[in-house]
Amino acid sequence: GAGVSQSPSNKVTEKGKDVELRCDPISGHTALYWYRQSLGQGLEFLIYFQGNSAPDKSGLPSDRFSAERTGGSVSTLTIQRTQQEDSAVYLCASSFGMGGGAETDTQYFGPGTRLTVL
Amino acid sequence: AQSVTQLDSHVSVSEGTPVLLRCNYSSSYSPSLFWYVQHPNKGLQLLLKYTSAATLVKGINGFEAEFKKSETSFHLTKPSAHMSDAAEYFCVVSGSSNTGKLIFGQGTTLQVKP
Repeated sequence: GAGVSQSPSNKVTEKGKDVELRCDPISGHTALYWYRQSLGQGLEFLIYFQGNSAPDKSGLPSDRFSAERTGGSVSTLTIQRTQQEDSAVYLCASSFGMGGGAETDTQYFGPGTRLTVL
Repeated sequence: AQSVTQLDSHVSVSEGTPVLLRCNYSSSYSPSLFWYVQHPNKGLQLLLKYTSAATLVKGINGFEAEFKKSETSFHLTKPSAHMSDAAEYFCVVSGSSNTGKLIFGQGTTLQVKP
């Protein structure tokens, strides 16, 4: 079946502009995660959504970052007033469940969106 | 807090020789541990996971890892390296007992020489 998809695959923007990154999780997965992969910081957790629960935003680096998940499916990560340090690959993942280590909690990753801020 | 340390940033082996990628973890509870692989310009793929069942975990492509609580280690091994194994490998721990948040190590780049 179809995996996690992300769009765009590449995004180049100018400092100060807003950007939106999209994630389509695997159908039926209730949990959705955003991570960021950058040269200096490695792979970092940003935010996750589980069903209708309030999202865990503990990994968002600043209030310029926000995310929403509409209808329990597609998610959009928005970065306002982009800075050069926001340049990274933004990865989305989804899973059937959340936590506990069960098979349903395996996270499947999308190919990522490479963001470059000039 | 949970954390992982990958002891080598770069490992180089010859094709056909064993692979050992080292990982130590720190966790305040019984963790779930994972190894993911990332090939160039490809997404992250799960190799294997440990979830408090058997301590020796077998994964895809001939990889396996052993959970050693006394050593707080979860090293990844493969008896015989193949050229296609060249990639970056991440050791990962779950963030807590009731969240799917993953905490990644810094990664180990595996080079396989012919």
